[in-house]
Amino acid sequence: DAGVIQSPRHEVTEMGQEVTLRCKPISGHNSLFWYRQTMMRGLELLIYFNNNVPIDDSGMPEDRFSAKMPNASFSTLKIQPSEPRDSAVYFCASSFGLSGYTFGSGTRLTVV
Amino acid sequence: GQQLNQSPQSMFIQEGEDVSMNCTSSSIFNTWLWYKQDPGEGPVLLIALYKAGELTSNGRLTAQFGITRKDSFLNISASIPSDVGIYFCAGQLKGGSEKLVFGKGTKLTVNP
Repeated sequence: DAGVIQSPRHEVTEMGQEVTLRCKPISGHNSLFWYRQTMMRGLELLIYFNNNVPIDDSGMPEDRFSAKMPNASFSTLKIQPSEPRDSAVYFCASSFGLSGYTFGSGTRLTVV
Repeated sequence: GQQLNQSPQSMFIQEGEDVSMNCTSSSIFNTWLWYKQDPGEGPVLLIALYKAGELTSNGRLTAQFGITRKDSFLNISASIPSDVGIYFCAGQLKGGSEKLVFGKGTKLTVNP
């Protein structure tokens, strides 16, 4: 089992550019979660999907953030336009119920 | 939103010492999870607790789900240098979905 796979591992972009983060959940998991981690705020849930359907997006900071899950094996988190305050580590996690709630290695985003 | 109060925020101990950390909340939780995060990686699940009063061990780690369902603790016995990292508690709220609430973490440093 390859675990939850995220790409890229690191992303440096200029303010105003579009950023797309990618996630491949563990096969058989039916829930997928996007988190943001910063020193100040810790781990924050942005959005989660169940069976590819967005269930709760109340953590999405603003309209610049959007997430999709077109199928059971792929999800994207997009920021457009990006701002320096979006700099953080973004994690994707997947689970089957609460069983095996597993995180990816994260994408470290720096917006300059 | 719901808060998990995790303490202590950081710990500096000598190799071989035992460690204890805990999380408390004013809300009732159905499930408690404990994670460890190494630098540059995502959190890794250590122990999951599903019943009030449950005491579960994983090697040198022991965790308990509080009777009131509002707290949990994690103990590490005979610490070793590789125990260094940030430990997070996470809880699934009673009546909630698969969404987890995370504590702010306990940063553990072990001096050889």
